[in-house]
Amino acid sequence: KNEVEQSPQNLTAQEGEFITINCSYSVGISALHWLQQHPGGGIVSLFMLSSGKKKHGRLIATINIQEKHSSLHITASHPRDSAVYICAVSGSNYQLIWGAGTKLIIKP
Amino acid sequence: EPEVTQTPSHQVTQMGQEVILRCVPISNHLYFYWYRQILGQKVEFLVSFYNNEISEKSEIFDDQFSVERPDGSNFTLKIRSTKLEDSAMYFCASSEVILTGELFFGEGSRLTVL
Repeated sequence: KNEVEQSPQNLTAQEGEFITINCSYSVGISALHWLQQHPGGGIVSLFMLSSGKKKHGRLIATINIQEKHSSLHITASHPRDSAVYICAVSGSNYQLIWGAGTKLIIKP
Repeated sequence: EPEVTQTPSHQVTQMGQEVILRCVPISNHLYFYWYRQILGQKVEFLVSFYNNEISEKSEIFDDQFSVERPDGSNFTLKIRSTKLEDSAMYFCASSEVILTGELFFGEGSRLTVL
């Protein structure tokens, strides 16, 4: 069983829709990261959180430590949001355990 | 805004050749990492580095791999004798704080082994 599971694997939506990507994990963590991977391959850190909720612009990330679950939301989605969104967790060691990613396509 | 830079962006090499991938982490960061992503697969952890030594390494990071910080700014990943299966995108990252520190990634170095 994968230690970090993301859903959905692929998501296609129309511009303006509210997007939710989910992440469940099975290990104890010190922090959870949401990252964005562009079509060219580059990775950008969006959020790092260990409790509660964070918001940057149209992006919102929440985490429920008891349920070992996190969600990434995108409000008023735009075609430039099209990318792969990856959940990764850091535990008691130096490694990040990565999810497989959710490929998001926003159509105009 | 400070950024992590990686060179080269793409390298093509013959199987058995040595490859060095270079990274310049953000200057006040103390923790450095290498990850790799084989085409179509998940990102995988290779190694973390702190205080001029390896903190942790994965099973992938075998004797063919080595890292060093030769001059206090560069952080290099060396693959001694490349294999076809080493073809991947290699990402360098750095953070100010371990475990709960935000990670900053370079743009990646694509290695193609022929």
